[in-house]
Amino acid sequence: KNEVEQSPQNLTAQEGEFITINCSYSVGISALHWLQQHPGGGIVSLFMLSSGKKKHGRLIATINIQEKHSSLHITASHPRDSAVYICAVSPHNQFYFGTGTSLTVIP
Amino acid sequence: GAVVSQHPSRVICKSGTSVKIECRSLDFQATTMFWYRQFPKKSLMLMATSNEGSKATYEQGVEKDKFLINHASLTLSTLTVTSAHPEDSSFYICSASGGTDVYEQYFGPGTRLTVT
Repeated sequence: KNEVEQSPQNLTAQEGEFITINCSYSVGISALHWLQQHPGGGIVSLFMLSSGKKKHGRLIATINIQEKHSSLHITASHPRDSAVYICAVSPHNQFYFGTGTSLTVIP
Repeated sequence: GAVVSQHPSRVICKSGTSVKIECRSLDFQATTMFWYRQFPKKSLMLMATSNEGSKATYEQGVEKDKFLINHASLTLSTLTVTSAHPEDSSFYICSASGGTDVYEQYFGPGTRLTVT
């Protein structure tokens, strides 16, 4: 069993739709990261959070420590949001990655 | 947020040659740097952890003589793929941590290595 599970694995949305990607984990953590990987491979750190909610532009990340669950929301999605979104969690001295959610936003 | 850079972003080399990839923390001192490898459509796999001024700690199954890691300063770590073979073709990503808690990592943009 993977320490980090993401859903859905693949997601196709129309431009403008509200998107939610979920991440569940089974280990105790110090922090959870959401990463964005573009088709060329480059990785961008979107959020690092250990409680509550963070917002950056059209992106919102939430985490529920008790339920060991996090969500990444994209409002008013745009084709440039098409990428793989990776959830990663860190207990104190290790790092576990989800396999990613591939998002395609169609114009 | 903190910035980590990698150079080069893409490299193509011939089989048998060695390739060096640099990872730099641009606005903080990285006491610990991590090197990951990503196979197509797979998650990131930790290869090794390096602390400034000491030898890297390699994950099980990663050949330390094949993947040489040097963390000579608080802002630079290098990964050298020695005697590269086509199966070494992959996406290599570094991350850096400046604090005592490894969870606070900042990721580099990655390097695409193709060995012909």
